[in-house]
Amino acid sequence: EAEVAQSPRYKITEKSQAVAFWCDPISGHATLYWYRQILGQGPELLVQFQDESVVDDSQLPKDRFSAERLKGVDSTLKIQPAELGDSAMYLCASSFGLGEAFFGQGTRLTVV
Amino acid sequence: KQEVTQIPAALSVPEGENLVLNCSFTDSAIYNLQWFRQDPGKGLTSLLLIQSSQREQTSGRLNASLDKSSGRSTLYIAASQPGDSATYLCAVNSGNTPLVFGKGTRLSVIA
Repeated sequence: EAEVAQSPRYKITEKSQAVAFWCDPISGHATLYWYRQILGQGPELLVQFQDESVVDDSQLPKDRFSAERLKGVDSTLKIQPAELGDSAMYLCASSFGLGEAFFGQGTRLTVV
Repeated sequence: KQEVTQIPAALSVPEGENLVLNCSFTDSAIYNLQWFRQDPGKGLTSLLLIQSSQREQTSGRLNASLDKSSGRSTLYIAASQPGDSATYLCAVNSGNTPLVFGKGTRLSVIA
């Protein structure tokens, strides 16, 4: 069964270091999302891609976060420098247009 | 701006009970609504997707309903089992905006 792949599953990094997350969506899904979920809260959108183009990055803290999807397939989310408040679950999702969204297992980031 | 609210925030029931989780949204101009399950420390698993033109969807012991005009959806779980224990999230797709989530309902089913 097709699924969204994310790596790493867990990441511990020191404050001020750089960290990167990778996502490989379901084949054929042009829409890709990155969400951040703080413990006890619902996921909140960071960035949405349609193919290689950014559709919505209004909630992305652009001074430290960046996201790319160069060939319109897999995507990378980067944080530099990481701050203590960035500790959260980072979730990637994909969909075929406005259809059902499928999520990966997420990357649990801990900043120390 | 779309806002999604889920009530209750937490629920504990004995095994075998039927239960209802509630989701409300402020803007009724939605494209679809999706219910997810999340186990601790894991990603989201899609349970049911209801298109705006539909009133309900069923999968096994799960039934989700949608009343778009009143901005409400319910997730009905029949004959609950300990394995149903998880957080259930409701998310709304308004077409030109990405999925907006509620904070979820944390369900515990006691054996």
